[in-house]
Amino acid sequence: DVKVTQSSRYLVKRTGEKVFLECVQDMDHENMFWYRQDPGLGLRLIYFSYDVKMKEKGDIPEGYSVSREKKERFSLILESASTNQTSMYLCASSFPAGGASNYGYTFGSGTRLTVV
Amino acid sequence: AQSVTQLGSHVSVSEGALVLLRCNYSSSVPPYLFWYVQYPNQGLQLLLKYTTGATLVKGINGFEAEFKKSETSFHLTKPSAHMSDAAEYFCAVRGNAGNMLTFGGGTRLMVKP
Repeated sequence: DVKVTQSSRYLVKRTGEKVFLECVQDMDHENMFWYRQDPGLGLRLIYFSYDVKMKEKGDIPEGYSVSREKKERFSLILESASTNQTSMYLCASSFPAGGASNYGYTFGSGTRLTVV
Repeated sequence: AQSVTQLGSHVSVSEGALVLLRCNYSSSVPPYLFWYVQYPNQGLQLLLKYTTGATLVKGINGFEAEFKKSETSFHLTKPSAHMSDAAEYFCAVRGNAGNMLTFGGGTRLMVKP
């Protein structure tokens, strides 16, 4: 019954490495989102996408990029990982604005990334 | 523009006591309102939602919330707390024509034995 799958639950990477966080949804959602969550700072939006090959910057895009080559997959890329990117990363998906807006978001289980 | 305010970043109750988590929102359009729960090291799970119709909404695990338009509130309650309710709770709002959910800052619920 898993609907939004994040490829790793826990990840440890070294400073300077290129890191890929993968998210796949099987609900045919148009919208996909990447958040990071830190104690006391709540959920902060990194990037989102409303369609294949489309991306929009969120509130904190610096140091990140994304890729959406297929509707079901939305990848977050840390070009050169730094220790201040140690965080919990959450992927979510949803239907677009309009009739299905009342469904909210469906979240993945999260990836806890540690950069050493 | 939308915003969500959750009063109290930490709430502590005794097991068996009433749980009340407060959420106030602002929205320029009729809102859809949501409560999510997050257990340690997990993603967010939908607890309940208000879209249209009945203003008292029942969710999973015995939680309910009441949409009060005049107070722009959507407080979450549970009559009797259980140890397993210890988690972080997020209130969120979405306009019926918008793509984005706006989240509150979250409230961490602690349940004392």
